[in-house]
Amino acid sequence: DAGVIQSPRHEVTEMGQEVTLRCKPISGHNSLFWYRQTMMRGLELLIYFNNNVPIDDSGMPEDRFSAKMPNASFSTLKIQPSEPRDSAVYFCASSLTGSGNTIYFGEGSWLTVV
Amino acid sequence: QKEVEQNSGPLSVPEGAIASLNCTYSDRGSQSFFWYRQYSGKSPELIMFIYSNGDKEDGRFTAQLNKASQYVSLLIRDSQPSDSATYLCAVNTRSNTGKLIFGQGTTLQVKP
Repeated sequence: DAGVIQSPRHEVTEMGQEVTLRCKPISGHNSLFWYRQTMMRGLELLIYFNNNVPIDDSGMPEDRFSAKMPNASFSTLKIQPSEPRDSAVYFCASSLTGSGNTIYFGEGSWLTVV
Repeated sequence: QKEVEQNSGPLSVPEGAIASLNCTYSDRGSQSFFWYRQYSGKSPELIMFIYSNGDKEDGRFTAQLNKASQYVSLLIRDSQPSDSATYLCAVNTRSNTGKLIFGQGTTLQVKP
């Protein structure tokens, strides 16, 4: 069974450019999470969806960040405009609510903004 | 106060020893607790979860939960060099919606 699939795996972009990260959750999972990991701040929850609806976006740093989940099998996290401090690993994760809330992570998207 | 706190380490133990990793959390109403392992450059992977007070064993791993003290720990018996990684404690929030809050992680080094 395929796990959580993220793309791109690595991206280097210039400050001011738009960045779009993509995620396909595990089939059948109804919750999707976007996390950001840095050395300084660790693993931070940015936003999570339940049944395609955003439930909690309190972790989204600022208006430059936006996330969508148009259907059960696809989500995007967009940064516009990007800044060097956005450089981090962005993980998408999914879970099946009621299954003990165990979440499974994708391999991450490594973003560098120069 | 952070919601989930861990000592960042590194915790260094000799091969074959018991490694003890600790975590405290602030929300007394938290329902479920998870330990993830993360190798350098990789994504976190689930090791164990625990919901009830007491111990839960899985192979060389034992998770311990004390809700009164808001404390959860992970013991790794017969530590191997391949156990060297960062261990992340995660806590499900009171709302039990699946939202996990992670600690900063403890780096474990197992020396041959």
